[in-house]
Amino acid sequence: DAMVIQNPRYQVTQFGKPVTLSCSQTLNHNVMYWYQQKSSQAPKLLFHYYDKDFNNEADTPDNFQSRRPNTSFCFLDIRSPGLGDAAMYLCATSITTLLNTEAFFGQGTRLTVV
Amino acid sequence: AQRVTQPEKLLSVFKGAPVELKCNYSYSGSPELFWYVQYSRQRLQLLLRHISRESIKGFTADLNKGETSFHLKKPFAQEEDSAMYYCALLNNAGNMLTFGGGTRLMVKP
Repeated sequence: DAMVIQNPRYQVTQFGKPVTLSCSQTLNHNVMYWYQQKSSQAPKLLFHYYDKDFNNEADTPDNFQSRRPNTSFCFLDIRSPGLGDAAMYLCATSITTLLNTEAFFGQGTRLTVV
Repeated sequence: AQRVTQPEKLLSVFKGAPVELKCNYSYSGSPELFWYVQYSRQRLQLLLRHISRESIKGFTADLNKGETSFHLKKPFAQEEDSAMYYCALLNNAGNMLTFGGGTRLMVKP
């Protein structure tokens, strides 16, 4: 009965080879978020979608893109992964803004760049 | 800019001992603060939020605007409390949750 599902759990990609991480949700939530968490660091927001509206954080590198083809799915595309992009990537959802609700997280995808 | 600081990366206590996980924040607006918890091999999940003023699993947290703190407390730690705890601050627009670096709590038998 997982509500936010991230696939795969572990992803290995080659330096410079495009990679896509996926997130799906069964909650019908309006908002989906992507966070990057490097080892021993805080999760850092990369961007989020409010319905189809894309909101990029100012310091998110251009190398990171996202797609949300429908309410249930959201993808994180890393166009040219570098060694510094190795991290845990967390997807989260909320029904609306977080002012009146909570964020539901997936289990994350751990990305290794070789 | 909003920032959350958790000064302790690791906190180790014995079962039954009191626990306090520290969290300090920096934000120019009116803060809304949360504690999230991640048990081993599980997803990050909400533990409590300050506006609810509730106690969850025996944990409480009080927002102290004067000290810009939101410390998490429990009077008697249990082994099942062992987990990673993240303090988080929500911006006024409600769309950006900023996390602290996390504190790993280990409760020894």
